[in-house]
Amino acid sequence: EAQVTQNPRYLITVTGKKLTVTCSQNMNHEYMSWYRQDPGLGLRQIYYSMNVEVTDKGDVPEGYKVSRKEKRNFPLILESPSPNQTSLYFCASSKLRDRANYGYTFGSGTRLTVV
Amino acid sequence: GQQLNQSPQSMFIQEGEDVSMNCTSSSIFNTWLWYKQEPGEGPVLLIALYKAGELTSNGRLTAQFGITRKDSFLNISASIPSDVGIYFCAGPGAGGTSYGKLTFGQGTILTVHP
Repeated sequence: EAQVTQNPRYLITVTGKKLTVTCSQNMNHEYMSWYRQDPGLGLRQIYYSMNVEVTDKGDVPEGYKVSRKEKRNFPLILESPSPNQTSLYFCASSKLRDRANYGYTFGSGTRLTVV
Repeated sequence: GQQLNQSPQSMFIQEGEDVSMNCTSSSIFNTWLWYKQEPGEGPVLLIALYKAGELTSNGRLTAQFGITRKDSFLNISASIPSDVGIYFCAGPGAGGTSYGKLTFGQGTILTVHP
């Protein structure tokens, strides 16, 4: 089944403790991206990657890091999480080059709480 | 960065009613996308619009790409309880690496009473 898999689904952590949220897709998509969703703000893009070793900042990149060493994986790293990073996070992928295939596939989300 | 403003923020309607929501931007978009998010899930693409003036349907859903390229509309006819969810408009940046920058509106929360 074609899908984007995020892990974990739920995570509670303490301020300053480094964490990684993994994202993997099995559709051979070039494009991957991370979003955070907060009430009343919609989804805001954190980072995106157009292909392996190519990453760029979205609208809210502060406090986050990403890497794209393989096409299928795009982990989100919080080196020193803070309470304002408590949010619902989504990973998405797409075969971006094909305009007719603008169907970004989203993962099921990771709910992160930083205390 | 680019911003998309969606309205209304929320809607409470009776089953069978029609629904209209819209999305506006201060800058031009070359593509408009409409997504639906159900509780506990990621957004799912409903309709993609690529050309100013374009009107596209997907079952009971119809979306239009505004002539000015600064707005888009989504209509749902004869709503049913499973239409409940958050509806988002979204648009990608234009050209080069900004093609990867996808901006979402704040969302319209739809509640349908049986």
